Amino acid sequence: IAGITQAPTSQILAAGRRMTLRCTQDMRHNAMYWYRQDLGLGLRLIHYSNTAGTTGKGEVPDGYSVSRANTDDFPLTLASAVPSQTSVYFCASSAGVNPDTQYFGPGTRLTVL
Amino acid sequence: QKEVEQNSGPLSVPEGAIASLNCTYSDRGSQSFFWYRQYSGKSPELIMSIYSNGDKEDGRFTAQLNKASQYVSLLIRDSQPSDSATYLCAVKKDSSYKLIFGSGTRLLVRP
Repeated sequence: IAGITQAPTSQILAAGRRMTLRCTQDMRHNAMYWYRQDLGLGLRLIHYSNTAGTTGKGEVPDGYSVSRANTDDFPLTLASAVPSQTSVYFCASSAGVNPDTQYFGPGTRLTVL
Repeated sequence: QKEVEQNSGPLSVPEGAIASLNCTYSDRGSQSFFWYRQYSGKSPELIMSIYSNGDKEDGRFTAQLNKASQYVSLLIRDSQPSDSATYLCAVKKDSSYKLIFGSGTRLLVRP
């Protein structure tokens, strides 16, 4: 089934630990994105990648890093988790600039204690 | 001022009524506009995209765009309880991959 998968579905993490959220898409989309969603703040872009091998910073990149070694995978790493990173994380992808519709994965609920 | 603003709601309408959801944006360079629906605990799913001034209809949904006034709206005709969700407005500049989201309007359709 075509689409975006994310793992894990949810995670409880101790502060200071390193964590990688995984995202894989099988639609051969060029662009991929990571958002966090917090109550009252909506969806905020963390990092994005226009194409394999390139990445860029979004609105709230601090404390997060990404890599894009190939078209399908776009992992998000928290090097040293802090409680303020407790959120729901969504990965998304789009074919490119035009068409530019973004499709979202199911999300990862992360709690940092 | 937020780049994309929506009333958080909840907007409560009776079943069968028209629900009107509004969104304003601050950047006149914005070219692409989207409405996403998000059920509680689920991911956003695209309902409509609109790129030109005027109305765009798809089934019970109509998106309206007015670039001069910098607003975009979503009308849902014959509202159903299953339409109860949070509706997110998103805006993109033509030269950028980035979507800017509003914080969403929660819609409740009363049976």
